[in-house]
Amino acid sequence: ILNVEQSPQSLHVQEGDSTNFTCSFPSSNFYALHWYRWETAKSPEALFVMTLNGDEKKKGRISATLNTKEGYSYLYIKGSQPEDSATYLCAFTTGKLIFGQGTTLQVKP
Amino acid sequence: DAGVIQSPRHEVTEMGQEVTLRCKPISGHNSLFWYRQTMMRGLELLIYFNNNVPIDDSGMPEDRFSAKMPNASFSTLKIQPSEPRDSAVYFCASSYGSGVYEQYFGPGTRLTVT
Repeated sequence: ILNVEQSPQSLHVQEGDSTNFTCSFPSSNFYALHWYRWETAKSPEALFVMTLNGDEKKKGRISATLNTKEGYSYLYIKGSQPEDSATYLCAFTTGKLIFGQGTTLQVKP
Repeated sequence: DAGVIQSPRHEVTEMGQEVTLRCKPISGHNSLFWYRQTMMRGLELLIYFNNNVPIDDSGMPEDRFSAKMPNASFSTLKIQPSEPRDSAVYFCASSYGSGVYEQYFGPGTRLTVT
């Protein structure tokens, strides 16, 4: 059974803080790792799709790294803003996506 | 582009009734996915199609659930008969292909079975 673990489960930070969360996935038969951002009452939106060991992707203040050999990915948010409050999901794929439970971020003004 | 379209947005039905959820993927996408979101299990894949052909339906809970994709622009997820434990938000997503392509999610259908 393929398992995707995310930590922490939730996070509360102050506006301006930088933060990061972890996604752990099976290191064998790696195909791709996805990150999605999911705001309350909306649908998940893709942030990154990462395929190569050592990949680093960036979108504004959000960036992600990938280590396929040890089976983890980090998502970083620099200078968190209240609008960054959301649940961040990672998903491992061997063709179909297997989602983690997500990290819920709350940024206080 | 209108994005992935799902209907209805909300459905309230009584136990035992048939429920049909509908999805129109983004034009040009050849993969379509049905997900279910619950508090207990999070976001779980039910079934996905490539080029209108079901590829993996191992996530479909039981025989009461069925999905079809008669053409590239339409898919249905049917529950017959529905049960209270089917209450959840059902998302449809589409992409250019499975795996390395990002998925675009529809707004979801919130199903309540009483």
